[in-house]
Amino acid sequence: DAEITQSPRHKITETGRQVTLACHQTWNHNNMFWYRQDLGHGLRLIHYSYGVQDTNKGEVSDGYSVSRSNTEDLPLTLESAASSQTSVYFCASSEAGRAFFGQGTRLTVV
Amino acid sequence: AQKITQTQPGMFVQEKEAVTLDCTYDTSDQSYGLFWYKQPSSGEMIFLIYQGSYDEQNATEGRYSLNFQKARKSANLVISASQLGDSAMYFCAMRGIYNFNKFYFGSGTKLNVKP
Repeated sequence: DAEITQSPRHKITETGRQVTLACHQTWNHNNMFWYRQDLGHGLRLIHYSYGVQDTNKGEVSDGYSVSRSNTEDLPLTLESAASSQTSVYFCASSEAGRAFFGQGTRLTVV
Repeated sequence: AQKITQTQPGMFVQEKEAVTLDCTYDTSDQSYGLFWYKQPSSGEMIFLIYQGSYDEQNATEGRYSLNFQKARKSANLVISASQLGDSAMYFCAMRGIYNFNKFYFGSGTKLNVKP
């Protein structure tokens, strides 16, 4: 079955370090997204991509970057981790107007 | 711009009773889609139900139904015969027509089902 997987599921990192969260989907979807989930805010869009070599900023993109070198992967990089980036991160892919989510990555910045 | 509002941070319901989770939205798009997702304590996002803005009938999926009132821009989720396993966070979401695959989410409602 097609799926979308995130790794790692949990990560603790130190302030100032660069961190990369992986997202891999086997749906062959062109559209991929990264969200962060914080209490009281729901899911907020960080970055998104509509295809290979395409990346776009979402509403909370500062401090994050993505790259899209193939259809399957959209890694999210925190250039210099900050405590404010402690959150749960969700990757999603979508096609025909329906979204599918990964299991989430819980990131703690200490 | 799209905006989703869920005004109930938390709700309680007695097992076997029905419960309504509120969702209002704001959009200038003429065509859009509305979704509800369930997030149990394990963290995954589970798709529940979808309503298209031009669908004349309210969507239903088993015990879930979407009370869609277009003029009031509301898309409330109704869960009939609540079960203990329904305890979870519930998110309302919307996508527009110009960014067909881009989703906007509300802040969520935490539902607790009491035995």
